[in-house]
Amino acid sequence: ILNVEQSPQSLHVQEGDSTNFTCSFPSSNFYALHWYRWETAKSPEALFVMTLNGDEKKKGRISATLNTKEGYSYLYIKGSQPEDSATYLCAFLRNTGGFKTIFGAGTRLFVKA
Amino acid sequence: NAGVTQTPKFQVLKTGQSMTLQCAQDMNHEYMSWYRQDPGMGLRLIHYSVGAGITDQGEVPNGYNVSRSTTEDFPLRLLSAAPSQTSVYFCASTNRPGPYGYTFGSGTRLTVV
Repeated sequence: ILNVEQSPQSLHVQEGDSTNFTCSFPSSNFYALHWYRWETAKSPEALFVMTLNGDEKKKGRISATLNTKEGYSYLYIKGSQPEDSATYLCAFLRNTGGFKTIFGAGTRLFVKA
Repeated sequence: NAGVTQTPKFQVLKTGQSMTLQCAQDMNHEYMSWYRQDPGMGLRLIHYSVGAGITDQGEVPNGYNVSRSTTEDFPLRLLSAAPSQTSVYFCASTNRPGPYGYTFGSGTRLTVV
């Protein structure tokens, strides 16, 4: 069973704070790492797809980094806004037959105005 | 552009009943998968398919069957519903796992009494 761990489980920040979360995954047979944003009562939406060690992706105030050798990825949000409140999921894909995708349990972010 | 369509959105079943959750996508994606979402556990993979006629088990396949007779459709069958199958079910599809993120359906909330 593959273990994908996300920390913290939840986070409460004030509007304007910068924050970051961690996704840890097995470092062997890495194929890809995804980040998703999941708002309440909606479906998860893809934020970033990362496939290479050292990858850095950015979309507006949100960015992510990837270290496949040590098995972790960080998601950063600069200047959090109330609309950033959501659950952020990471998903790990291993390069073995079938490309099963395993999701972490998510980090729930609450941004207070 | 419909994306991934799941039906029904809500369902209540009695223990022992069977039913089929429908999933259809119009993006010509080869890869489709079913997840269940339970509090504190994130998304867990039930079954997935890499193309028409090909299916495989995920992390929690017991009590569920799938088939993939066409590229568009990937129904999930509950053979004999149990209260432990009370959950929110998501169908997801992608062009190719890894380099592309998943597109999710809106979910089916299932309660087994």
